[in-house]
Amino acid sequence: QKEVEQNSGPLSVPEGAIASLNCTYSDRGSQSFFWYRQYSGKSPELIMSIYSNGDKEDGRFTAQLNKASQYVSLLIRDSQPSDSATYLCAANGSGGSNYKLTFGKGTLLTVNP
Amino acid sequence: DGGITQSPKYLFRKEGQNVTLSCEQNLNHDAMYWYRQDPGQGLRLIYYSQIVNDFQKGDIAEGYSVSREKKESFPLTVTSAQKNPTAFYLCASMHRAGYTFGSGTRLTVV
Repeated sequence: QKEVEQNSGPLSVPEGAIASLNCTYSDRGSQSFFWYRQYSGKSPELIMSIYSNGDKEDGRFTAQLNKASQYVSLLIRDSQPSDSATYLCAANGSGGSNYKLTFGKGTLLTVNP
Repeated sequence: DGGITQSPKYLFRKEGQNVTLSCEQNLNHDAMYWYRQDPGQGLRLIYYSQIVNDFQKGDIAEGYSVSREKKESFPLTVTSAQKNPTAFYLCASMHRAGYTFGSGTRLTVV
């Protein structure tokens, strides 16, 4: 069973700080990685995707991928109370399962005003 | 606007009943998925379909059934064989940049 592991948290940061969310995956053949944000009672929404080693920036969000270490992270700069949510990491499968995503259990982030 | 529509938003099931959750998409995506989410748990794959008239079991298919007669529709039936159906059910379709999710159906056994 391929797995995606996340720090369960909860993670609490003050407003304006950098929030760092981490994720590891077990399937070395995974090529596509995603971060979803899920507000309480709502469905997940895609915030970042990353496919190549290195960093990818989009506004206040930076995704980082290290395939050698099988590690993905998400940095949120200048954290806002509206960023308070559960963040889900997902990775696609390898080979014939590349169209299926496996999700971590999520990390609950709270940004304190 | 394109998207995925799930209905109903809330559903109550009596013991021994079968219930069907609706999922419709107008995104022209081939692949569709059903996930279940329990408190403190990640999303667990129930069934998925890559093309019309074809679908495969996911990790927790027991007690569930699906059909894919049209590209736009992928309904999920929760049968009486599913002993613990209370959960948040999410339908998704896949595109190049990942999944798009519907708004979910919250199923409760009464």
